[in-house]
Amino acid sequence: AQSVTQPDIHITVSEGASLELRCNYSYGATPYLFWYVQSPGQGLQLLLKYFSGDTLVQGIKGFEAEFKRSQSSFNLRKPSVHWSDAAEYFCAVAPGPYKLIFGSGTRLLVRP
Amino acid sequence: GAVVSQHPSRVICKSGTSVKIECRSLDFQATTMFWYRQFPKKSLMLMATSNEGSKATYEQGVEKDKFLINHASLTLSTLTVTSAHPEDSSFYICSAQQEEYEKLFFGSGTQLSVL
Repeated sequence: AQSVTQPDIHITVSEGASLELRCNYSYGATPYLFWYVQSPGQGLQLLLKYFSGDTLVQGIKGFEAEFKRSQSSFNLRKPSVHWSDAAEYFCAVAPGPYKLIFGSGTRLLVRP
Repeated sequence: GAVVSQHPSRVICKSGTSVKIECRSLDFQATTMFWYRQFPKKSLMLMATSNEGSKATYEQGVEKDKFLINHASLTLSTLTVTSAHPEDSSFYICSAQQEEYEKLFFGSGTQLSVL
């Protein structure tokens, strides 16, 4: 069965520091991969997605993610974190049309 | 960008009553809408896929008689939690899809608390 693992429940970084959020998936073929951000009590906003092609994808708000097939990973990165980036981040995989499977999320805390 | 409006944002109800949650796509037609449930500190779990004009497709383990979904138009899907019980308390989120994954937009969610 398809699954998504986000091994870090929460991460704390200092403002201005770099960030990497981990995501591993389990799927037989190359899935569609997504990163979403959720602010408290809010819905989800798409940060970026990977369907095919260049394995390094750029998203909004300065985020990027790299698809590594050999590691079944799709880690999210940002070179310099801002206080407004504090939120919950979800990695998701879509093995087929229209059906997202979400990881358990990583809560990002930003130290001033 | 496209907006999905979800209403109400928060609802408190008594056990045994029914609650209706609306999900509207404001500036596009959504042939498919999805309903998710999110427990505290947990991931989002897909409950059902709602297609305009047809019956919803429920995920395994989701009671279709308890969670009634109606997708009456291309811009509106409703989720009715029937005979709500405290264990139904959760954060419910809808999403609306136009054609491609990049056009999948989420509502702001509804926090349901059943007393």
